[in-house]
Amino acid sequence: DTGVSQNPRHKITKRGQNVTFRCDPISEHNRLYWYRQTLGQGPEFLTYFQNEAQLEKSRLLSDRFSAERPKGSFSTLEIQRTEQGDSAMYLCASSLGTDGIQYFGAGTRLSVL
Amino acid sequence: GENVEQHPSTLSVQEGDSAVIKCTYSDSASNYFPWYKQELGKRPQLIIDIRSNVGEKKDQRIAVTLNKTAKHFSLHITETQPEDSAVYFCAASKAAARQLTFGSGTQLTVLP
Repeated sequence: DTGVSQNPRHKITKRGQNVTFRCDPISEHNRLYWYRQTLGQGPEFLTYFQNEAQLEKSRLLSDRFSAERPKGSFSTLEIQRTEQGDSAMYLCASSLGTDGIQYFGAGTRLSVL
Repeated sequence: GENVEQHPSTLSVQEGDSAVIKCTYSDSASNYFPWYKQELGKRPQLIIDIRSNVGEKKDQRIAVTLNKTAKHFSLHITETQPEDSAVYFCAASKAAARQLTFGSGTQLTVLP
């Protein structure tokens, strides 16, 4: 499968724990995006990278959230001190160039107990 | 910031009928409007998109129309089939490779 890959697919954690998700974009795609989707809603933008540079961050991305893309390839999204309100599907997408279509991964479903 | 509203939230049609989903947006600077289809438990997949220099675009049974003056765009699916059943999301952005603002989705059910 040469599409966007996300791991893990599911994550269950206790409130207060830290979690980290990984996204591998389509090869050679220079832009990578993170979105969050709650049940019955459309995806909400969190942040995006062009190569290793984080170009934009949503106000939704609180201080407990951090995203990295150290070598301009895969990206990680870390949530510290998880809260029940963080329970959602976290989607990653990638695109090529400044006018490229965004292709989505299957997401990581986070459940905070 | 951009705000996208989508209607209806649910839509049931008989197989072979047409389906229309409508979206409005608030930011006049938006000029890229994709539509994604998301089946249960699967990733959103782009089915069609339109840019602001075009008023209409068609791909087989799917078409999208854009009215920039009124800030609304619509998805039209003709000759619907059961496999068209899914949640459809519209989105708006200043460019394809910028942040997308999504609507809240339309659950389309095609009844056999």
